[in-house]
Amino acid sequence: ETGVTQSPTHLIKTRGQQVTLRCSSQSGHNTVSWYQQALGQGPQFIFQYYREEENGRGNFPPRFSGLQFPNYSSELNVNALELDDSALYLCASSQGAGISGELFFGEGSRLTVL
Amino acid sequence: GESVGLHLPTLSVQEGDNSIINCAYSNSASDYFIWYKQESGKGPQFIIDIRSNMDKRQGQRVTVLLNKTVKHLSLQIAATQPGDSAVYFCAERGYQKVTFGTGTKLQVIP
Repeated sequence: ETGVTQSPTHLIKTRGQQVTLRCSSQSGHNTVSWYQQALGQGPQFIFQYYREEENGRGNFPPRFSGLQFPNYSSELNVNALELDDSALYLCASSQGAGISGELFFGEGSRLTVL
Repeated sequence: GESVGLHLPTLSVQEGDNSIINCAYSNSASDYFIWYKQESGKGPQFIIDIRSNMDKRQGQRVTVLLNKTVKHLSLQIAATQPGDSAVYFCAERGYQKVTFGTGTKLQVIP
């Protein structure tokens, strides 16, 4: 157990809909990163939030957006869902936004888009 | 650009034997690597890391070797156990993100 919790664990949406995924970071961690893991692939970096600001973004379109709250929990929002958005979405928390902060991953939210 | 890749998609090992999982990377400027283990239905779990000023690092039953000349990493697991069955990723740790390879599935044969 890493102390990082994600919800929901599974959900099904249809194309064009919007989804919000939630993450509670491990106690004492102020940085949250989101990753998308397609079936059979390694996780791909979506973005990172540090002190409630986006602090780096991977190659994902603007319809992927996020928030970080004062308690360091975070949300990932995806608008206008596409079939290719079907994946496991992983949240990872760390202490500090730099290279030395070890990432602790949650168990993920599995999104299926029909 | 960044690229971290694995040599084999699946590795089958007899219980009790040693496992070796290999990884190649392309960016010669990469200086911090991490091995992760991902069990079915779970998120990646940190196993061991190594920085470019080292060529070997040991943990409990695991050893990571780094060859910067040929840009190659390996993870060695001693006395492989059924609980070691998982997908293993080598990854490059950057300032904000971790870049993962595609993974090697380790199957332990009882």
